[in-house]
Amino acid sequence: DSGVTQTPKHLITATGQRVTLRCSPRSGDLSVYWYQQSLDQGLQFLIQYYNGEERAKGNILERFSAQQFPDLHSELNLSSLELGDSALYFCASSSPSSDTQYFGPGTRLTVL
Amino acid sequence: GQNIDQPTEMTATEGAIVQINCTYQTSGFNGLFWYQQHAGEAPTFLSYNVLDGLEEKGRFSSFLSRSKGYSYLLLKELQMKDSASYLCALLDDYKLSFGAGTTVTVRA
Repeated sequence: DSGVTQTPKHLITATGQRVTLRCSPRSGDLSVYWYQQSLDQGLQFLIQYYNGEERAKGNILERFSAQQFPDLHSELNLSSLELGDSALYFCASSSPSSDTQYFGPGTRLTVL
Repeated sequence: GQNIDQPTEMTATEGAIVQINCTYQTSGFNGLFWYQQHAGEAPTFLSYNVLDGLEEKGRFSSFLSRSKGYSYLLLKELQMKDSASYLCALLDDYKLSFGAGTTVTVRA
């Protein structure tokens, strides 16, 4: 158990819908990262927040957005969902003094 | 891009040693990570190399050569529970870029 929590574990929804994934980092960690893992693309970096501010951005679609709240939990919002958005979404966190990212258990999103 | 390459699959016998190679093409990065991932589960941290050389952690060791664009993960005394995917990843400005992973199957 890495100490990073994610909810929900599974999410099934329809095309065109919007969902919100939630992540709580390890105690003391200020950075939160979001990754998408699909069968054909592997593990892809989406976005990073540090202490409430966006710090780095990967190939995140415009339909996707994220934020980090004052209590340091983070939410990833996915809208206008398409079949191809079906994937495992992982959150990771790291402390200010370390480069190591610890991953949460993930949310499996299925878009039908 | 990072162009990270790893073999797709490897098979080894329980108790044996397996070496997973990772090559990459990039102009600069902070360090190289190895993660283990069982199917459908979260990647778990195994090792991190910043400087060239060998890092040893129990049954797992990792090596980095920046000049050769090469790293390897060495798994010793293989156990059945080591059957998993092993991901090589480069850290560059807070972003981790992952290879496609090497699926290791341990046979009795």
